[in-house]
Amino acid sequence: DQQVKQNSPSLSVQEGRISILNCDYTNSMFDYFLWYKKYPAEGPTFLISISSIKDKNEDGRFTVFLNKSAKHLSLHIVPSQPGDSAVYFCAASTGGTSYGKLTFGQGTILTVHP
Amino acid sequence: GAVVSQHPSWVICKSGTSVKIECRSLDFQATTMFWYRQFPKQSLMLMATSNEGSKATYEQGVEKDKFLINHASLTLSTLTVTSAHPEDSSFYICSATVLQGAETQYFGPGTRLLVL
Repeated sequence: DQQVKQNSPSLSVQEGRISILNCDYTNSMFDYFLWYKKYPAEGPTFLISISSIKDKNEDGRFTVFLNKSAKHLSLHIVPSQPGDSAVYFCAASTGGTSYGKLTFGQGTILTVHP
Repeated sequence: GAVVSQHPSWVICKSGTSVKIECRSLDFQATTMFWYRQFPKQSLMLMATSNEGSKATYEQGVEKDKFLINHASLTLSTLTVTSAHPEDSSFYICSATVLQGAETQYFGPGTRLLVL
C-alpha cells in the first residue's frame, strides 16, 4: 500500500517559470512532511518541510503548500533554474519532528530547460 | 553539511553469496542510522532502524535473518545481505541522524546490488 504518492514521474519546465511538484498521501496520522532533492549518484538532500499545523512554508525560491483536507501537498519553485533539475521526493512522518522514520513517494524527475 | 558515505557504490555477486554494504558518517557521530531499499520507479522503502550498540528494528515484511544490520560504532553501520538471490537486486541507501528530527537525516549515495 503506497501511503505517499507522486503521480507525475516527470516534469519539464522552462527556466524562469514556475515548477509545481505534487504529492498525495493516504495516512491521516502523518503530521510532518518533507521534500528531498536528489542528484544522480548522490543521496537525497533535505530541501524544505512543513508541519501539519501549517498550510504554507516558504524558503527562498521554494514554497511548500499543505492541504490537509485533500491530503495533498505541493512544492513550488519560482523561478526555476537549470540547476534545479533533479529527482524530487516527498516524504512524510508521524510524531512531529521528534522521530525520523520517513515514508517516501516514488519521486518526480524535474528537468528545467535553459 | 554532514557527509554520509557508502561502500561499495555498486556490487555484482553470484546467487547464494553474501554481500556487505558499509554506511559511514564521515564528520559526525550518528546516534541512529536507517537502511532503505528502492526498486526501479518505486519509492525508498525503510527496511530497518539501527541505534549504536543495540539490535536493529526491522520494518514489517523485512527478514531480519536475511538482512543483517550491525551498528557497532557511532560512525559505522553495515548491512549484510545473506545468501543473496536475484530478487534481492536493488538500490540500497542508508541515512544517518545525529539529532532527533527528520530534517537532520543525512543520506548516503546508495549502493546498487545486482545478484546474478
